[in-house]
Amino acid sequence: GAVVSQHPSWVICKSGTSVKIECRSLDFQATTMFWYRQFPKQSLMLMATSNEGSKATYEQGVEKDKFLINHASLTLSTLTVTSAHPEDSSFYICSASLGDEQFFGPGTRLTVL
Amino acid sequence: SQKIEQNSEALNIQEGKTATLTCNYTNYSPAYLQWYRQDPGRGPVFLLLIRENEKEKRKERLKVTFDTTLKQSLFHITASQPADSATYLCAPRSSGDKLTFGTGTRLAVRP
Repeated sequence: GAVVSQHPSWVICKSGTSVKIECRSLDFQATTMFWYRQFPKQSLMLMATSNEGSKATYEQGVEKDKFLINHASLTLSTLTVTSAHPEDSSFYICSASLGDEQFFGPGTRLTVL
Repeated sequence: SQKIEQNSEALNIQEGKTATLTCNYTNYSPAYLQWYRQDPGRGPVFLLLIRENEKEKRKERLKVTFDTTLKQSLFHITASQPADSATYLCAPRSSGDKLTFGTGTRLAVRP
């Protein structure tokens, strides 16, 4: 199956700093990638849809100025959490579509102190 | 509004038995439905996709059914093993739509 990687797998940062998370499709090109957030014991919630070469589409309630998404190439999308606060601590997961199937990265655990 | 319901209670079964997980959806007309497995602290892993014109699909010990009249999908794991213990997520989807997940059902297979 198709492989999606994320980096880093975990990150701890101080409140007020920015954190960048990378998502790569390793063996296929993805014009569309997705960013999800998952809180403990909850399901994945879609944050935004990232389209290569254009602006991301954000879900209702997700601040686009806080969660900056860049999809500069067909294999790389980045999510930057700006001025992170403890309430942003969560598990962030990206995914990429290949046909009708959607493949997920291993996730990034963000802890904001 | 669109809603996806999975058993919120954990499913505990004995090794070797068949596990059956349920996914019900409302206000949806999905063209297909996907099932994923998620282990703690990991991203979901794709298992099976079944289309609206398919009643049933199998892959090794897994079987999925899709009833568009009942608006329900059943996910079966036969000859279950402790290694099958995980959370299973269903995601009905219309073509071109974003992928939205149910809350997931946690399966625990005891030896």
